[in-house]
Amino acid sequence: EVQLVETGGGLVQPGKSLKLTCATSGFTFSTAWMHWVRQSPEKRLEWIARIKDKSNNYATDYVESVKGRFTISRDDSKSSVYLQMNSLKEEDTATYYCTGRAYWGQGTLVTVSS
Amino acid sequence: DVVMTQTPVSLSLAIGQPASISCKSSQSLVHSDGKTYLSWILQRPGQSPKRLIYLVSKLDSGVPDRFSGSGSETEFTLKISRVEAEDLGVYYCWQATHFPQTFGGGTKLELK
Repeated sequence: EVQLVETGGGLVQPGKSLKLTCATSGFTFSTAWMHWVRQSPEKRLEWIARIKDKSNNYATDYVESVKGRFTISRDDSKSSVYLQMNSLKEEDTATYYCTGRAYWGQGTLVTVSS
Repeated sequence: DVVMTQTPVSLSLAIGQPASISCKSSQSLVHSDGKTYLSWILQRPGQSPKRLIYLVSKLDSGVPDRFSGSGSETEFTLKISRVEAEDLGVYYCWQATHFPQTFGGGTKLELK
């Protein structure tokens, strides 16, 4: 059974940091390009980051709104992908999903508020 | 960024009726490799999204064949031949041809 489990969300003040983890199982993680997608409280979906596999040198891409603040990384030995989020803003409030191949996790809620 | 426009915004149908959802992109979604990276995903109430269709018309494993996808360039359609209760939720189209990847605004399918 394929599983993607995101953890690390929570309430954080503007300007602070948070690190999300997506632990996966049930599919060949090492060759999968992994993404983080977020869903705003208004239910709008936004793709925010992607990391390719080893054969593509783990290349990363980011949407402009998070570039320089967020960092995506992966650990193939743990079949996990991460999202380090720095300098958080209120507009980063959303449910964050990891996704790869056809699969999506259940999401983790990040709320940025003072 | 490529703008994905879905219509209608909502759809109210009875069980057994056909459904059709349109997705139009502001640019052609044909990639330089010749493929068209257009997917459809369904988010059921209280659940995370689930991909149904990729590369315009390929059904993911386990997706009933009452679902079908079609289209090319900038115009795409998701069809359900006969709506069932488990089909309710919000449908999104998603393009991965151009950077950054972008989603449509969603079409909410409700049961009449």
